[in-house]
Amino acid sequence: AQTVTQSQPEMSVQEAETVTLSCTYDTSENNYYLFWYKQPPSRQMILVIRQEAYKQQNATENRFSVNFQKAAKSFSLKISDSQLGDTAMYFCAFMKPDSGAQKLVFGQGTRLTINP
Amino acid sequence: NAGVTQTPKFQVLKTGQSMTLQCAQDMNHEYMSWYRQDPGMGLRLIHYSVGAGITDQGEVPNGYNVSRSTTEDFPLRLLSAAPSQTSVYFCASSLRRTGGNYGYTFGSGTRLTVV
Repeated sequence: AQTVTQSQPEMSVQEAETVTLSCTYDTSENNYYLFWYKQPPSRQMILVIRQEAYKQQNATENRFSVNFQKAAKSFSLKISDSQLGDTAMYFCAFMKPDSGAQKLVFGQGTRLTINP
Repeated sequence: NAGVTQTPKFQVLKTGQSMTLQCAQDMNHEYMSWYRQDPGMGLRLIHYSVGAGITDQGEVPNGYNVSRSTTEDFPLRLLSAAPSQTSVYFCASSLRRTGGNYGYTFGSGTRLTVV
């Protein structure tokens, strides 16, 4: 079974700084998808960024980028020029695209606080 | 489009009571899932469905039932509520695509307390 580990329960940075959230996963699969979800205090789960394992290029969405190291099974999220609105729980998630379910496996989450 | 709609947003149950958490999506998504979120454990899959009439168990299915009679609706039933079922419940849906999955759309969650 796949597992996802986020080793930083909490992080805190100043506004405009850059912050990196760590995620490692365990799988024997070669093809899969990785996601970062943001959960602000409103509780809504918001997709931040997505990475396909067969793509070498790291995904980027505006201020959000990932460092995907397939051999090391590492998938970190970098937030540049952090903003107060980035304060949230962040979850890393893994998906194996088998023939049926497309089930998400989540990490434990990292609580990120951006201070003014 | 409303996306994924969950009701109710909050609920308090007594031990042994039953109830149904409602989930509806208007995006014609084939995949629908229920997750529970507990502190320090992330989200864990309870049940999922790959289409109308097809459901299967996830990681933590005990104490819950689901059915999928239509593409739009995927209710989660608690048969006999227990304090261990106190959690935040999320419904999510996704479009079945060839070439990959582009992420699930989540509802706003239901905070359930069992006393």
